[in-house]
Formats: sequence, C-alpha cells, structure tokens
Amino acid sequence: AQSVTQLDSQVPVFEEAPVELRCNYSSSVSVYLFWYVQYPNQGLQLLLKYLSGSTLVKGINGFEAEFNKSQTSFHLRKPSVHISDTAEYFCAVSDNSFGNEKLTFGTGTRLTIIP
Amino acid sequence: NAGVTQTPKFQVLKTGQSMTLQCAQDMNHNSMYWYRQDPGMGLRLIYYSASEGTTDKGEVPNGYNVSRLNKREFSLRLESAAPSQTSVYFCASTVRVEQYFGPGTRLTVT
Repeated sequence: AQSVTQLDSQVPVFEEAPVELRCNYSSSVSVYLFWYVQYPNQGLQLLLKYLSGSTLVKGINGFEAEFNKSQTSFHLRKPSVHISDTAEYFCAVSDNSFGNEKLTFGTGTRLTIIP
Repeated sequence: NAGVTQTPKFQVLKTGQSMTLQCAQDMNHNSMYWYRQDPGMGLRLIYYSASEGTTDKGEVPNGYNVSRLNKREFSLRLESAAPSQTSVYFCASTVRVEQYFGPGTRLTVT
C-alpha cells in the first residue's frame, strides 16, 4: 500500500514570487507520481506526472516537479506565480504494477496568491 | 469530446432517502472510479471498475453501491443517505494511469 503526505495545508505567496509545494510518499514498490490542480468549484486537472526517465518533469502553466527516490519526495515548484495559480494542489501516487491504475491522494495544499 | 460528465451537479437529500449519481465518459476508457472529497482529507476512493462488468471496493465503500452499466457509464447509489455522506463526489476514468475527472456532484444530506 502507498501513502502520500503533503506537509503544508495552506501556502500564501506573493504574486511573482517562487513557490514550492511539498509532497512525500511511502511505498514498498516502484511508483508513478502525479500532481493535480483543482480550481474553485471544478474537478481535478492533471498538472504533471512522473512515470520513468528524467527525474525533472515539466507540466502545464510553468510548473515543474522533481522526483527524488532517496528522499521519497516529489515537490512541485514554480519560479514566478500568478493570481490565476490560486487553487488547491494534490499530490498522488500509484504503484506501477501492470493493470493497477488506482491513485492514492494526499490531503491537498491550498495555494493563495497575494497581489 | 465531452470527457467525463456527471449528473446532477447539486443535490440535497433528507436522511434515509436514496439517490443515484450518474457518470459517463466518451473516451472509450476501460477503468472508472468514484471518489469523495471532504475538507482536509483529499480524495478517497469509494469504488472502482477496472473494466465493463467488474467492480471493486475502494477505501470507503460502506453505504454505497455501484453499477458499471456499460463501458461508458458508472453509477453510484446511496440506498439510505446519512449526514456523514455529505460531500463532493467525483467520477474519473483512466487511460494509461492518467485519470480524467468529471466536474463533481455536491451532495448535502440533512
């Protein structure tokens, strides 16, 4: 079984400042990792995913994340945030066994951009 | 493509009433999921269906039933609603590990 810990429930950031949202996972097997974004009153949308290969993955809207196997982390970063980035962000993990597509989600981080 | 659609968008029930939440996808995906989202708890898996004709329990299945009517449709039924089932419900479907989500149903049980 896997688990995901998002260390910050809320992160306020000034507009145009950098941001890092932290995610740590626990698993006894190799994993796939994901970041999803949820804008107010909407469903979840995939930001980026790590399946294999390069540990630095780039996603939509200028976000990127780095997979660190030794620290079991997958932190999300953006060098300069915009008001439109205000949303809730969820880290998720699945084990990469064939045929298993179930996700385990973290509890979410609410990102608030301050003008 | 409409993607994943859910009906209704909002619903208020009294304790003990029953209802069915509908979900459909037009992407020809094999796997479909039902989640509930509660403040501070992220998304928790209720039931999933790896293919047409199969369903399995997730993390929080008590009080719910599901039907995979065909490849497109996956419904969630509350037989006797309880206030603890007040939540936002999301349906999702999957292709190659990436999940696509519907817009959600906000359910209040009084």
